Amino acid sequence: QKEVEQNSGPLSVPEGAIASLNCTYSDRVSQSFFWYRQYSGKSPELIMSIYSNGDKEDGRFTAQLNKASQYVSLLIRDSQPSDSATYLCAVVTGGFKTIFGAGTRLFVKA
Amino acid sequence: DARVTQTPRHKVTEMGQEVTMRCQPILGHNTVFWYRQTMMQGLELLAYFRNRAPLDDSGMPKDRFSAEMPDATLATLKIQPSEPRDSAVYFCASGSSGGIYEQYFGPGTRLTVT
Repeated sequence: QKEVEQNSGPLSVPEGAIASLNCTYSDRVSQSFFWYRQYSGKSPELIMSIYSNGDKEDGRFTAQLNKASQYVSLLIRDSQPSDSATYLCAVVTGGFKTIFGAGTRLFVKA
Repeated sequence: DARVTQTPRHKVTEMGQEVTMRCQPILGHNTVFWYRQTMMQGLELLAYFRNRAPLDDSGMPKDRFSAEMPDATLATLKIQPSEPRDSAVYFCASGSSGGIYEQYFGPGTRLTVT
């Protein structure tokens, strides 16, 4: 079992819809969780961080964390074609060690 | 505009040659990470440093890879000798140990070993 798992996709949603991206992790002591966006040929860009159970909203993005279920999700409201990218889930497992998931490719159709 | 810088951006070399990649972290950041990204393996953590001291390099092939931080403004990743399977994009990221673990990535070095 991989330490951080994501559905590789591609996930295709129409413009204006809600995109839902999911991530599960195996290390129960993980405390810090992040979502990065990576456009093709570019470097990962931090878009959301979450540290406690519940929801965290930033503009059109909402991160959700459920530590009991070892589950992290990212919702993108009013999806735009510019949101088309690969979304990477990252989990800090101990000290500063960060494990990334394989990423979910998102396509937003105009 | 604070950002992580990496040099070179692209490198093509022949098998057996030494490759050195450099990274300048964001000023004030005391944690530096090296990652390798391939289509097959995704983003893999190779090594990371805090306050210039190596914390973990278990992700690196020890026989050919080495990572150092000669000073707070420079991190290096060296491969000697290089092999075709080392072809990948190598990213450096930096962060602050202020307890939040957020990382900011450089543009990457695309390495091709022929």
